[in-house]
Amino acid sequence: DSGVTQTPKHLITATGQRVTLRCSPRSGDLSVYWYQQSLDQGLQFLIQYYNGEERAKGNILERFSAQQFPDLHSELNLSSLELGDSALYFCASSGVGIYNEQFFGPGTRLTVL
Amino acid sequence: EDQVTQSPEALRLQEGESSSLNCSYTVSGLRGLFWYRQDPGKGPEFLFTLYSAGEEKEKERLKATLTKKESFLHITAPKPEDSATYLCAVHNAGNMLTFGGGTRLMVKP
Repeated sequence: DSGVTQTPKHLITATGQRVTLRCSPRSGDLSVYWYQQSLDQGLQFLIQYYNGEERAKGNILERFSAQQFPDLHSELNLSSLELGDSALYFCASSGVGIYNEQFFGPGTRLTVL
Repeated sequence: EDQVTQSPEALRLQEGESSSLNCSYTVSGLRGLFWYRQDPGKGPEFLFTLYSAGEEKEKERLKATLTKKESFLHITAPKPEDSATYLCAVHNAGNMLTFGGGTRLMVKP
């Protein structure tokens, strides 16, 4: 158990809908990262937040957005969902040093029908 | 653009048959190379961080090494419970982590 929690575990929804994924980092970690993992793309970095502020951005679609709240939990919002958005979404957290190892949560499996 | 290539894509071993997994990388300002283990449907589990060429880390049957262009994950006398996908990732100066496609390891008893 990494100490990172994610909810929900599974999510099934329809095209065009909007969903919110939630992540709670390990106790004391200030950085939260979001990743997408699909069969054909591997693990892709989406976005990072550090203590409430956006720190780095990867190949995140404009339909996707994230935020980190004062209690350090984070939410990833996915809107206008398409079939191709079906994937595993992972959250990771890391400690104070910016190049520290990241610890991953169990993931949310999103299925768009 | 940072690139990480892992080989082989899949590897079948008999229990006790040692082998190595390769991770080749190109990165703008390496700030760390990470190895993770991932079981099906689960989140990646952190194994090692390597920061500079020549560095080595060990954990049970696993040993990771780093050169300026690649890293190896050596598995000594593997057991069936070592079966998993092993992921390599590089951290660049822009604080982004780029993952390779992984090596799927299957260890048969």
